[in-house]
Amino acid sequence: EAGVVQSPRYKIIEKKQPVAFWCNPISGHNTLYWYLQNLGQGPELLIRYENEEAVDDSQLPKDRFSAERLKGVDSTLKIQPAELGDSAVYLCASSLGRWREADNEQFFGPGTRLTVL
Amino acid sequence: GQSLEQPSEVTAVEGAIVQINCTYQTSGFYGLSWYQQHDGGAPTFLSYNALDGLEETGRFSSFLSRSDSYGYLLLQELQMKDSASYFCARGGGYQKVTFGTGTKLQVIP
Repeated sequence: EAGVVQSPRYKIIEKKQPVAFWCNPISGHNTLYWYLQNLGQGPELLIRYENEEAVDDSQLPKDRFSAERLKGVDSTLKIQPAELGDSAVYLCASSLGRWREADNEQFFGPGTRLTVL
Repeated sequence: GQSLEQPSEVTAVEGAIVQINCTYQTSGFYGLSWYQQHDGGAPTFLSYNALDGLEETGRFSSFLSRSDSYGYLLLQELQMKDSASYFCARGGGYQKVTFGTGTKLQVIP
């Protein structure tokens, strides 16, 4: 069974440009997470979806970041405009769903390494 | 807040035992998870403690004490491949998800 798929794996852009990341979770997983991870630090939650509903977006910088999961399957995270400080790895993860006992286990994709010049 | 504190770095000898601690400062019931991340890789799930006590999975064990707001990951019979970063995490289900600061483990010969 395929794991969490993310694309692109690497992205280099100039500041003020837009960028988008795509994630396809494991089939049957209702919960989808987007994280930001800086070097040497733990993942920081940006947004969490239960199906198509964003249930926790309290840490998403909404002035420049947006996300969608229209059909409750794959998801897109966008930054517009990008700033130098946005350089990081953007991780997508999925889990079964919050009403499931095994929801504590998250499966991570390989991440997208963003460099903003 | 919901911070989870871990030692930043730990060094241990191959074949030895190492304990990585995680302390947190929020009240309420939360399970505690542990993830391993090799350099350049994605975090992978190691274990989950829903209740107080010790959970054992092969060479890895994890412990939780909710009354002490404390948990740890115990790695036995260390191997070179265990060199990685280890993160504790709280939440999941209906609870907010927060990852710890991470511990970089270096296993030396």
